[in-house]
Amino acid sequence: KAGVTQTPRYLIKTRGQQVTLSCSPISGHRSVSWYQQTPGQGLQFLFEYFSETQRNKGNFPGRFSGRQFSNSRSEMNVSTLELGDSALYLCASSLAGWDEQFFGPGTRLTVL
Amino acid sequence: GENVEQHPSTLSVQEGDSAVIKCTYSDSASNYFPWYKQELGKRPQLIIDIRSNVGEKKDQRIAVTLNKTAKHFSLHITETQPEDSAVYFCAAKGGAQKLVFGQGTRLTINP
Repeated sequence: KAGVTQTPRYLIKTRGQQVTLSCSPISGHRSVSWYQQTPGQGLQFLFEYFSETQRNKGNFPGRFSGRQFSNSRSEMNVSTLELGDSALYLCASSLAGWDEQFFGPGTRLTVL
Repeated sequence: GENVEQHPSTLSVQEGDSAVIKCTYSDSASNYFPWYKQELGKRPQLIIDIRSNVGEKKDQRIAVTLNKTAKHFSLHITETQPEDSAVYFCAAKGGAQKLVFGQGTRLTINP
């Protein structure tokens, strides 16, 4: 069974731009969660999608948004990028959200 | 909301010795406590997890203990090996069903 994949793996953007990251979960998994990982803040929960609905949301500004498609693939969008958005963005999938989460390799976003 | 505190932030032990990492959580409704290992440049991977109806779980050299009354749980690694060097994260899933992570512990095994 293929693992969680994320595209692109690396991104360089400038302040004010927007970016879209993609996550393809393990086949059969309906829950996709997104996390921001930075050296100083560890792993911060962004949001979780289950069956195309946002089921949970972390404490991030409205510039961070996401969606999930009928095939469970998920996208995350960050608008009006700031320098502080530079981080590794990880997605994780699970069957139902309350069970084991499998992480993707992450997308490293650098904002200049 | 849920808050998870993890200690220590760095830990260095001699090969063959044991390592213990401790976490506390705030939400008494938390019922799922996974531990993840993240090697340099790689994705976090689940190494062991425990649910609130169990006090201890072992898997070879790794064990996790849970004290619901005190709201803390610990990871124990025995007979440490160089490949155990990594960053370890604890996490807790509370009533809000969000997985909240601790800040991570950088474990270094000295040969």
